[in-house]
Amino acid sequence: KAGVTQTPRYLIKTRGQQVTLSCSPISGHRSVSWYQQTPGQGLQFLFEYFSETQRNKGNFPGRFSGRQFSNSRSEMNVSTLELGDSALYLCASSPGTSGNKETQYFGPGTRLLVL
Amino acid sequence: AQSVTQLGSHVSVSEGALVLLRCNYSSSVPPYLFWYVQYPNQGLQLLLKYTSAATLVKGINGFEAEFKKSETSFHLTKPSAHMSDAAEYFCAVSKGNTPLVFGKGTRLSVIA
Repeated sequence: KAGVTQTPRYLIKTRGQQVTLSCSPISGHRSVSWYQQTPGQGLQFLFEYFSETQRNKGNFPGRFSGRQFSNSRSEMNVSTLELGDSALYLCASSPGTSGNKETQYFGPGTRLLVL
Repeated sequence: AQSVTQLGSHVSVSEGALVLLRCNYSSSVPPYLFWYVQYPNQGLQLLLKYTSAATLVKGINGFEAEFKKSETSFHLTKPSAHMSDAAEYFCAVSKGNTPLVFGKGTRLSVIA
């Protein structure tokens, strides 16, 4: 099976712009989670989608949003970018049916730089 | 709220030496525990996980970890370090319907 793919891999934006990142999960996986990774804060959970519905949400401002499509592909959007949004954004997928003991499979990430 | 503490942001070992990466969790009930590894410019890869079965868990690449409830620990070990083990290692915890909570990570360096 193909792994989790994320596009684009690298992105440079300026403050105030918005950005959309894409994630394609492993075939058959219905849960997609997003994480932000920074040197200072480490790995922080953004949100999880399952069957097109947000099932869990982390403690991030409303500028961060996401959605999931019927084929389980997911996008996350960040509006009004700030310098502090520079990070590696990781997407992870899992079957989504066995609770939190499931293994999450991570994509390679999208590295976002905000200037 | 549950949390994870990884002692030592950077651990350095000689090739062939024992690898010990420490992880302590705080949780009112036994959680699910995970160790992930991240190589440069890559995502995270699962090494092993504890889901309330055997307390000694064996993972990939010769790593193992032991769940010790009395010590609230889940330390990662490998008997003999290899150069290819150099990476960042993350311990993570989850329980119930809460999402994964990661530790700050430990960077492992292996010296030839």
